[in-house]
Amino acid sequence: TQLLEQSPQFLSIQEGENLTVYCNSSSVFSSLQWYRQEPGEGPVLLVTVVTGGEVKKLKRLTFQFGDARKDSSLHITAAQPGDTGLYLCAASTGTASKLTFGTGTRLQVTL
Amino acid sequence: DVKVTQSSRYLVKRTGEKVFLECVQDMDHENMFWYRQDPGLGLRLIYFSYDVKMKEKGDIPEGYSVSREKKERFSLILESASTNQTSMYLCASSLTAGGADTQYFGPGTRLTVL
Repeated sequence: TQLLEQSPQFLSIQEGENLTVYCNSSSVFSSLQWYRQEPGEGPVLLVTVVTGGEVKKLKRLTFQFGDARKDSSLHITAAQPGDTGLYLCAASTGTASKLTFGTGTRLQVTL
Repeated sequence: DVKVTQSSRYLVKRTGEKVFLECVQDMDHENMFWYRQDPGLGLRLIYFSYDVKMKEKGDIPEGYSVSREKKERFSLILESASTNQTSMYLCASSLTAGGADTQYFGPGTRLTVL
């Protein structure tokens, strides 16, 4: 089973601060996704990256796929309370529909 | 709007009981998945199905079975519930085979086994 390690596991910051979440593996993946899960709900897809070195932006969120396609990062600029949630990376080898999910980063943004 | 529904949000069962968790999607998706979610472990795949009556084991299938008799419905069965199966169970569906496809999740069922 491929392992996806996320760091940090927990993050508590104040509104307006910047943060970066990391997703690392020793395996090479064909694509990587980031999901956000709010309390009482299932995860919701934020972005999919498929090319090594790819950078995607979604408003204040910037996602990067590592050149070797083994790691990814999520950077949030000027965090807001609405960014609070559990962030999960998920990767695929591309040969099947299966995703391997990371261990998760729980983000709390306070006023 | 895409929708995945799960039969219960909360469920309390006793050790040894047979437990059924139901999941329904209204998007005509080919693939359906069952995960369990535990703190610090992320989501772990139990079983998935890529077609009616087809199923494949995920990473942690022991103690579970599944049934997919209709395209829109995927059931997870705990034949004899045990306390270590206390967890959040999430169902998901995706349109096609392919790792880059979006998975749409239900709200989850929090199962407690006493």
